[in-house]
Amino acid sequence: QKEVEQNSGPLSVPEGAIASLNCTYSDRGSQSFFWYRQYSGKSPELIMSIYSNGDKEDGRFTAQLNKASQYVSLLIRDSQPSDSATYLCAVRTGNDMRFGAGTRLTVKP
Amino acid sequence: SQTIHQWPATLVQPVGSPLSLECTVEGTSNPNLYWYRQAAGRGLQLLFYSVGIGQISSEVPQNLSASRPQDRQFILSSKKLLLSDSGFYLCAWRLGERVQETQYFGPGTRLLVL
Repeated sequence: QKEVEQNSGPLSVPEGAIASLNCTYSDRGSQSFFWYRQYSGKSPELIMSIYSNGDKEDGRFTAQLNKASQYVSLLIRDSQPSDSATYLCAVRTGNDMRFGAGTRLTVKP
Repeated sequence: SQTIHQWPATLVQPVGSPLSLECTVEGTSNPNLYWYRQAAGRGLQLLFYSVGIGQISSEVPQNLSASRPQDRQFILSSKKLLLSDSGFYLCAWRLGERVQETQYFGPGTRLLVL
C-alpha cells in the first residue's frame, strides 16, 4: 500500500514565524511532489511542486525534498493569518497520485 | 488559460435518489480527468479517472459510476445514493503523466445525503 503521511495537527504558529510542514511517503519510485493549500469549504489549490532533491523557493514558501529519506517538507516564512488552512502533501508516480490527510495550520495574530 | 467547472456547487439529496455531477474543462485538449471524494475532516479518496473519451478506471468499488462522453466532460453518477455518499466531490485535471505535469482541482460539489 502506497502511503503518504502527514501530522494532522493542528499546528499553531504566531504571525511572522516560520511554519514547518512535513510529509513522508512510502513509494521509492515517486517522482513528483506537490503541496496544496485548502481553505475550509474550498477546493485544494497548488502552492508548490518539486521534482528533484534539494530546496525550491517561491516567495515565502520553500519546498524541500529528500528522496533518500522519502521526506518532503514545506516551510512558510513570515506566516500570515491568511496562511491558516489545511496543507495537503501529494506524491505522484506515473498516473498514480496519492494525498496525505493534511495538516491544519493556524497562524495567530 | 485552463478553467475547470463543476456543478452543482451544493446538493441535498434523499437516500435512494439518483445523482449526477458534472465537470467540464476549458482551454485544454485530451486531459486526464479525476473524481475525488473528501469526507468531512478526511483526506482525498480517488474514485475514478479517465485518460480519454469512454475510458474509465475505477479505484474503489461502490455504488458510484463515471462516464466521459466528451473529451472535456466528466460525469459522476449514482442510481441510488447512500448516507455514506455524503462528502465534498472534487473533479481534477492533468495533461499527462510527465513528471512535471501538475494536477488542478475544480471548485467542488458539496453533497449531503439525508
